[in-house]
Amino acid sequence: EVQLVQSGAEVKKPGESLKISCEVSGYDFAKFWIAWVRQMPGKGLEWMGIIYPGNSDTRYSPSLQGQVTISADKSTSAVYLHWSSLKASDTAIYYCARRGGTGSPIDYWGQGTLVTVSS
Amino acid sequence: DIQMTQSPSSLSASVGDRVTITCRASQSISNYLNWYQQKVGKAPNLLICGACSLQTGVPSRFSGSGSGTDFTLTISSLQPEDFATYYCQQSYSNPVTFGQGTRLDIK
Repeated sequence: EVQLVQSGAEVKKPGESLKISCEVSGYDFAKFWIAWVRQMPGKGLEWMGIIYPGNSDTRYSPSLQGQVTISADKSTSAVYLHWSSLKASDTAIYYCARRGGTGSPIDYWGQGTLVTVSS
Repeated sequence: DIQMTQSPSSLSASVGDRVTITCRASQSISNYLNWYQQKVGKAPNLLICGACSLQTGVPSRFSGSGSGTDFTLTISSLQPEDFATYYCQQSYSNPVTFGQGTRLDIK
């Protein structure tokens, strides 16, 4: 069974760093892209970026480039989303999600990680 | 980036109603159009991919159509569990983009 299990909710202050995780199981980790999707409070879904764990090829949404870093660890079958300096506007639910190749939909989602940034 | 525009943004309907949601792309995306359902407090769930291919386990009252720039999601007879927010998404080119969502409420 394909599963994407995300790390728990976080409460942080502006300026702090944070790394959240997405551990996958039930398929060959290296062969599917993993995306991060943001959902700000009461808002829609926003594509942040995607990584191919097989070779760590990473693509970012132009609007978010430089604001976050996506990485993958094949030894633990995990993908990470990292902020070096959080802002209040980063408050959102973050979903990791699996995608096949170009043109493919997202077929499996993690349960979401709520990140709250407040002073 | 390809812009995806859904209409309506919200919709009130009754159990048993037939409902149609439309999605328009800012340029042709062939049939690289997917539909997701999101219930409150839950992750989205893939309903339809490739504009019209129903995912395994999705009830047949859901259907999708369209190609190029104009697409529709139809629910033939609304059931209580269908009240949710629906998103279209293009997977034709990066960055992948979503529509703004259509919230379907009980009338």
